[in-house]
Amino acid sequence: GAGVSQSPSNKVTEKGKDVELRCDPISGHTALYWYRQSLGQGLEFLIYFQGNSAPDKSGLPSDRFSAERTGGSVSTLTIQRTQQEDSAVYLCASSLDGLLTSPLHFGNGTRLTVT
Amino acid sequence: AQSVAQPEDQVNVAEGNPLTVKCTYSVSGNPYLFWYVQYPNRGLQFLLKYITGDNLVKGSYGFEAEFNKSQTSFHLKKPSALVSDSALYFCAAPTGTASKLTFGTGTRLQVTL
Repeated sequence: GAGVSQSPSNKVTEKGKDVELRCDPISGHTALYWYRQSLGQGLEFLIYFQGNSAPDKSGLPSDRFSAERTGGSVSTLTIQRTQQEDSAVYLCASSLDGLLTSPLHFGNGTRLTVT
Repeated sequence: AQSVAQPEDQVNVAEGNPLTVKCTYSVSGNPYLFWYVQYPNRGLQFLLKYITGDNLVKGSYGFEAEFNKSQTSFHLKKPSALVSDSALYFCAAPTGTASKLTFGTGTRLQVTL
């Protein structure tokens, strides 16, 4: 089976524009995560979806960031009115059941550049 | 606050030599600890985990990690490094909610001939 798929792989946008990043998790995985990786920094947790439970949004840096997961599968991370500091690689991961005994499977990421 | 720390930004090793990538943790209760690797322009890949049991955990690609409770460490090791092991390595542990992983800042491993 296919791994976690993210699109686009690269996105260049102008400051102030909105962007949507897509994540297609591994089929059957109930847990989905978004992380952000900035140059020279580690991974920053953004949001976590588990089944039909309310998402854990505690890592979203501002109200310009939002995410949804439709039908328990595909997820979209939306950044409104992008700023230069939003430039980073956005990584999506899924796991079978959200339990820590199940490893996270990461996509290759979307590299976002805000000019 | 629960966290993991990777004290080295970069580790340089000659091929064939043993390698160690360090990680220390500050986690209450019994820690769950993980190592992930990121090859260039790729997402992270799971290497190994410590949940409970033996202090020496074996993982993918010949890597292993030793859990040391007294030193609060979970160092990643490999007896003989390969050039292809060159990558960015992340230690991780759950913080806050049980299923939210927090990653260390990463250690770049450079293996040279």
